[in-house]
Amino acid sequence: QQQVRQSPQSLTVWEGETAILNCSYENSAFDYFPWYQQFPGEGPALLIAIRSVSDKKEDGRFTIFFNKREKKLSLHITDSQPGDSATYFCAASGPGNTGKLIFGLGTTLQVQP
Amino acid sequence: GPKVLQIPSHQIIDMGQMVTLNCDPVSNHLYFYWYKQILGQQMEFLVNFYNGKVMEKSKLFKDQFSVERPDGSYFTLKIQPTALEDSAVYFCASSFSAETLYFGSGTRLTVL
Repeated sequence: QQQVRQSPQSLTVWEGETAILNCSYENSAFDYFPWYQQFPGEGPALLIAIRSVSDKKEDGRFTIFFNKREKKLSLHITDSQPGDSATYFCAASGPGNTGKLIFGLGTTLQVQP
Repeated sequence: GPKVLQIPSHQIIDMGQMVTLNCDPVSNHLYFYWYKQILGQQMEFLVNFYNGKVMEKSKLFKDQFSVERPDGSYFTLKIQPTALEDSAVYFCASSFSAETLYFGSGTRLTVL
């Protein structure tokens, strides 16, 4: 049973468009949700994260929208660039900080110039 | 950003042999992790390690697995003996505060 689900599995957008990556989770005790970006041949790198007490977190072109009631969150990438082409993982943890992250399967984003 | 180095990047061994995966974590980090990813599946937590001890391990962390970080050197994952189902990419991660994890680029282990 997957505790963290991501959709779509893959996504293609044109340069300059907004890419929307979705994530949902099962365990209402999760309280920390990082998004990781991974390029081929590299390890995942933290992109942006949100805690369940917030409903929005913004960092430049990347924004997380969080809906605790529905147990859903989404990552919006505005003004998408070809360099954003990567796999994006939604993860969850909690309660308490132990670093034990539950990962989704990822969304592979392709940004066409 | 901070770099976690994993050595080697690929390892091929025969079933039943021992293998040690090495991780050079970020120098001032205190928490260390191993995650396992089988092709097409999500990355799964194996174990976390703090202050010289295993804090938590998942059911994937079989009795044949062990971790250590002797004298602040490499953080290692040892599998003895290996089984076919151990074939996967193993990611090491480290963290200063157990919140933001920094991952290495993984070791692809193939057990024949």
